[in-house]
Amino acid sequence: GAGVSQSPSNKVTEKGKDVELRCDPISGHTALYWYRQSLGQGLEFLIYFQGNSAPDKSGLPSDRFSAERTGGSVSTLTIQRTQQEDSAVYLCASSLPDRGRSPLHFGNGTRLTVT
Amino acid sequence: SQKIEQNSEALNIQEGKTATLTCNYTNYSPAYLQWYRQDPGRGPVFLLLIRENEKEKRKERLKVTFDTTLKQSLFHITASQPADSATYLCAPQLTGGGNKLTFGTGTQLKVEL
Repeated sequence: GAGVSQSPSNKVTEKGKDVELRCDPISGHTALYWYRQSLGQGLEFLIYFQGNSAPDKSGLPSDRFSAERTGGSVSTLTIQRTQQEDSAVYLCASSLPDRGRSPLHFGNGTRLTVT
Repeated sequence: SQKIEQNSEALNIQEGKTATLTCNYTNYSPAYLQWYRQDPGRGPVFLLLIRENEKEKRKERLKVTFDTTLKQSLFHITASQPADSATYLCAPQLTGGGNKLTFGTGTQLKVEL
C-alpha cells in the first residue's frame, strides 16, 4: 500500500501569512506525529495524535501552531502569522498504536520557506 | 535533563570496511531504542529496533548493540557500500514517558570508493 503522503512538498510564503500543511497517514495507523527539522538539525517533536485520545501538544513552539486530525485519518498542521524562523521541513509520521515497539513511517515532508 | 548524543562530525570510511556509529543517552532508561536512516530530501526510514533485554540485534549487514549500563547503543554496517551513505538517527524510547519519540541529531556516514 501507499506510504505516508504529505502535501505540498514545497511551500513558499510571505511573513505574516497563514499556511496549512497536510498529512495522509498509512491506512490503519492510528498514531500520527508531526516533527520539524531545521537545516542541519535533528527532528523536533511538535504534536502526537492517538486514536480518539486528546493529542499531546507539548512540542508546539507557540500558539501560532495548531493541528487537527479529522476522522482519525488525515491531519492538517496550521501555522498562523508565519515568521522567518518557521522555515524548516515539516515531517509527518504514522505508526500502529504500540508506540514504543512500532516503527514510525515518515512522509518526505513539506519544505516551508518564509520570506 | 534527558539528552541524546550522536557524533555531529561526519564519518568517512572506505567501501568494504565496517562503519560504527554511536548513540549515547543520559538521564534516560529506555525500554527500546530505534535506528533510522535519512537521505537528503527524504523522511527518515526505520531500520532496527532493539529492546533493553536484548544485547544485540542483526538484520542483513546491520547490527545494533544496546548497553544499558554504559547507556549506549552502537550501530554497525559491515561490508559498507557507497549506497549506505546517509544520516543515521537513533531514538531511545521510554515506556510511560509520554507520546513523543525523541531523536538524536544523527551522524552522517560517507562511504567512499
